[in-house]
Amino acid sequence: QVHLQESGPGLVKPSETLSLTCSVSGGSIRSYSWSWLRQPPGKRLEYVGDVYNNGKNSHNPSLESRVTILTDTTKNQFSLKLTSVTAADTAVYYCARLVLSGTFYFDYWGPGTLVTVSS
Amino acid sequence: EIVLTQSPGTLSLSPGERVTLSCRASQNIINSFLAWYRHKPGQAPRLLIYAASTRATGIPDRISGSGSGTDFTLTISRLEPEDFAVYYCQQYGSSPLTFGGGTKVEIK
Repeated sequence: QVHLQESGPGLVKPSETLSLTCSVSGGSIRSYSWSWLRQPPGKRLEYVGDVYNNGKNSHNPSLESRVTILTDTTKNQFSLKLTSVTAADTAVYYCARLVLSGTFYFDYWGPGTLVTVSS
Repeated sequence: EIVLTQSPGTLSLSPGERVTLSCRASQNIINSFLAWYRHKPGQAPRLLIYAASTRATGIPDRISGSGSGTDFTLTISRLEPEDFAVYYCQQYGSSPLTFGGGTKVEIK
């Protein structure tokens, strides 16, 4: 069984960089693609971005170029960095495994971690 | 982008009852590329259905999905305790992928 767990600071100051890590157990991250999603309070789930198994990335255009997603195969983890955060980036952030065979849905998720942007 | 509207917002039901949840899209969803997830507070969301009607690994046959075009449904034939949760639909036929606002199924 694949398990994912998000970790990182729960509070980030405006204009700083949000950094989260997703630890994956029960399987290697090498052969799969991985994603980050988020849900702001009272709003819908939103796709943030992903890293494909070929190392390439994609991200939600609404986040412009603020998103970086990387894998660390030695630790079986992947990470999210979101720069220049504002209060609008306050959300529960989820990591997930992406099913990418002509499709684009998520078959395993972490429980999520709340990140609040506030001074 | 495709907007997904889920209804109803909340359902109050008893264990053993049957429930049908609706997910309506603002545009046709290509190839019926629609997934359903179940989410209990504090837990990881769980994939139930993909491609509108295909059960994910380990999902019992009392849970089923159907639909095409713009109208999709998730049906649970007999509610079990683990089914009391929030359900989300997600389309992946068009970019950007989008989620519905969710339907909460609560214990009556």
